[in-house]
Amino acid sequence: GQNIDQPTEMTATEGAIVQINCTYQTSGFNGLFWYQQHAGEAPTFLSYNVLDGLEEKGRFSSFLSRSKGYSYLLLKELQMKDSASYLCAVMDSNYQLIWGAGTKLIIKP
Amino acid sequence: GAVVSQHPSRVICKSGTSVKIECRSLDFQATTMFWYRQFPKQSLMLMATSNEGSKATYEQGVEKDKFLINHASLTLSTLTVTSAHPEDSSFYICSARAGPGETEAFFGQGTRLTVV
Repeated sequence: GQNIDQPTEMTATEGAIVQINCTYQTSGFNGLFWYQQHAGEAPTFLSYNVLDGLEEKGRFSSFLSRSKGYSYLLLKELQMKDSASYLCAVMDSNYQLIWGAGTKLIIKP
Repeated sequence: GAVVSQHPSRVICKSGTSVKIECRSLDFQATTMFWYRQFPKQSLMLMATSNEGSKATYEQGVEKDKFLINHASLTLSTLTVTSAHPEDSSFYICSARAGPGETEAFFGQGTRLTVV
């Protein structure tokens, strides 16, 4: 079966760094996405990785290891507005998105 | 990024009535649209995939006669929740993709449906 695992909830301090991990087992792989979702809103795109390595985009970076079925999202210089759920999703061989359950990130002052 | 507009953003309806939700791609042609529902504190669950001009493909456990999907044009897909019941209350989100080989899907704003 297809499976995406990520922690349910994480807490971090404003100004700090947090890493949200995602492991996956899917039928085929056409890339891994990270989305941010604030409560009551639709997800917004953060990053896309299809090759191994680190992709940096401002305060956010995403890493992928295809051989390990593993990715992480790194958030630096945390701000209160970063409090949200972070969803990991993998595109399978049929170009369908398989979603993780999301990680709720709580930022404390 | 491309824009997907979903309407309405919130709707309250009486039990037994039907509600239609529209999803429009504003600046690109969407060959494929996806409909998701999301219960509080849970992840997105794919309900169905629709390709323009053909019947939607429903995920297991999703009643096709209850959740009618129409993708009549390359810029519009609709989801109609028929004979709605309180348990249908949820957050419904559409996303659109320009082509089968395209990796990124763009999301609508979502629709909060409350059935009373």
